[in-house]
Amino acid sequence: DGGITQSPKYLFRKEGQNVTLSCEQNLNHDAMYWYRQDPGQGLRLIYYSQIVNDFQKGDIAEGYSVSREKKESLPLTVTSAQKNPTAFYLCASSPGQGWETQYFGPGTRLLVL
Amino acid sequence: KQEVTQIPAALSVPEGENLVLNCSFTDSAIYNLQWFRQDPGKGLTSLLLIQSSQREQTSGRLNASLDKSSGRSTLYIAASQPGDSATYLCAAPEYGNKLVFGAGTILRVKS
Repeated sequence: DGGITQSPKYLFRKEGQNVTLSCEQNLNHDAMYWYRQDPGQGLRLIYYSQIVNDFQKGDIAEGYSVSREKKESLPLTVTSAQKNPTAFYLCASSPGQGWETQYFGPGTRLLVL
Repeated sequence: KQEVTQIPAALSVPEGENLVLNCSFTDSAIYNLQWFRQDPGKGLTSLLLIQSSQREQTSGRLNASLDKSSGRSTLYIAASQPGDSATYLCAAPEYGNKLVFGAGTILRVKS
C-alpha cells in the first residue's frame, strides 16, 4: 500500500534534548512538508522540500531542522532552541507543486517532560 | 500573504440536517482551493480540490463551491450523519508552493 508513515506516534522530550521525528513516503512524490498543529489553530508550515538535498524554511522554522538525503524521507529534528515544542506534528507529500493535493501521515504528538 | 478564515469554529447539528461550512481567503490569485477532513488525533484526508476554473466540485454527499472574486468557498454536506463528525479544514495556495490552512470547523452530528 502506498502512503506516508510517521514514527513514533508519541514522543517525549526532556529539557535541553534534541529529538527527531521520522517521515517516510512510498508515493514517489517529489515534495514533502512538515507542519505543526496546536489546539484551535490551523496547520503551520515548518519546513518543506521540493527535491532531494534542497529544503526551504516555512513560517515557523526557528528551533527546527530537516534533511532530505533520500526522496522517500524528510526527518524533522526539534532542537533545544525550540522552547515550546509541545504540539501535534504532521508530515505531508505531494507529487510536485505545493498547491496540488497533499497527502498526510498519521502524525506524531510531542510532549515535554 | 494569504490568510484563510473559517466560520463557524464549531457546529453541532442533529442527524439528517444539511449544513454549510464557510471558508474565506484574502489573496484571490489562487490555482485551486482544497477541503480536508481530520478525525481526532489523526492526519488529514483530502475531500475535495476545486480548480480555479471550476465553480463546484462534488463527491457523494459533499459539494464544494469556489468564488474567487469574493474570496470565498463553501462546503455543503447533505443529510449529515454521525460519521461526519470531524474537523473540516480548508487550504488555499500561497506563492512558493505552499498551502495556508484555516483553523478549521469542528462538526458534531448528533444521533
